[in-house]
Amino acid sequence: EIVMTQSPATLSVSPGERATLSCRASQSASSNLAWYQQKPGQAPRLLIYGASTRATGIPARFSGSGSGTEFTLTISSLQSEDFAVYYCQQYNNWPPYTFGQGTKLAIK
Amino acid sequence: QVQLQESGPGLVKSSETLSLICSVSGDSISDYYWSWIRQPPGQGLEWIGYISNSGGTIYNPSLKSRVTISVDTSKNQFSLRLNSMTAADTAVYFCAKIADRGGWFDPWGQGTLVTVSS
Repeated sequence: EIVMTQSPATLSVSPGERATLSCRASQSASSNLAWYQQKPGQAPRLLIYGASTRATGIPARFSGSGSGTEFTLTISSLQSEDFAVYYCQQYNNWPPYTFGQGTKLAIK
Repeated sequence: QVQLQESGPGLVKSSETLSLICSVSGDSISDYYWSWIRQPPGQGLEWIGYISNSGGTIYNPSLKSRVTISVDTSKNQFSLRLNSMTAADTAVYFCAKIADRGGWFDPWGQGTLVTVSS
């Protein structure tokens, strides 16, 4: 099973600034990685797949990078609606598909 | 566009079996792969399993002995059964579509909270 580790657990950033979230895989996930955003009381929403491809309707301020075991989600110029919990998920080696434990993006 | 909606009991007694249904609109359930995912309160996401467009199933090894996912093509629904429920199974249960080009989940249902009582 590939274990996904996200850091930091909580990231405090001011609106308008850049946020960088990290996700590490315990073994290579190639580029088979997705990112999701989850707001309280809502289902996760797909942001990125294939490590760097934005899903339909996702603003260009969201970008993903990385391959193998190290991945990054960058949100440039944070908007108020971006403060949420973000999860990474690998789909390279399954079962099981596995998720990171999440990074909470909080307003500074 | 495709929409998913979970339904089922919000409360299940310990040792009993959970049964949930996911109703799909906007897509034929026979054309894609469909999954169940859960999230304990305040915690992260755990993949439970999926059913393929041909009816084949793959489960999380950690839950495999207790899980059954099935499909009802006539109703465009798929379902989850999880037996021998315990307090550790208390969670929000989501259904989701698996992308046909890969293993990401999109879209998701809104989720349904299932609480296990003693």
